[in-house]
Amino acid sequence: ETGVTQTPRHLVMGMTNKKSLKCEQHLGHNAMYWYKQSAKKPLELMFVYSLEERVENNSVPSRFSPECPNSSHLFLHLHTLQPEDSALYLCASSQDLLLGGENEQYFGPGTRLTVT
Amino acid sequence: ELKVEQNPLFLSMQEGKNYTIYCNYSTTSDRLYWYRQDPGKSLESLFVLLSNGAVKQEGRLMASLDTKARLSTLHITAAVHDLSATYFCAVGFIIQGAQKLVFGQGTRLTINP
Repeated sequence: ETGVTQTPRHLVMGMTNKKSLKCEQHLGHNAMYWYKQSAKKPLELMFVYSLEERVENNSVPSRFSPECPNSSHLFLHLHTLQPEDSALYLCASSQDLLLGGENEQYFGPGTRLTVT
Repeated sequence: ELKVEQNPLFLSMQEGKNYTIYCNYSTTSDRLYWYRQDPGKSLESLFVLLSNGAVKQEGRLMASLDTKARLSTLHITAAVHDLSATYFCAVGFIIQGAQKLVFGQGTRLTINP
């Protein structure tokens, strides 16, 4: 595997279900991100992790719960979602700015989530 | 609240023509990124602009950044069908070694033969 991978690629869940999205980066980065892309809004940053510590929580409802067990893996735990949460969820990673570089974010293919 | 606005949001053009997409933002930043997204696909990084006056070119695309005007442009030269996609600009803000990106709405570009 190379780059940033996400599983599952598609997910349909009911409003009472609990599910998790998984992201894995194979780039040696140490910052990871969750974004939401819905049809009628710009890409929205949800969470930022740097060196496994959450550094940004962009006023996201508590029904979304992130977890970053190590610098290569990022999860998004979902529970009691609403239909308006249906969207494409994108994970990204980047190199820590303190280590130099342009801090370019590399995106995974996304998980298409449908809440019924 | 930071706003990032792209113009136009939709652009239909003929092959061979030139055009420019504009990205305006409301708060000072010297980090500007351009991404491309094909339908049903993820975001692909095109350009990273990290200083005032930065200009980068790749094939038929050229991006520039004017931090004083808070404006970036993506210029397309002699467009070809393969460039049809949605293009996003994003403004970056550093937070504890990571970076928060605020995206524009995207410009859906369609290039007709």
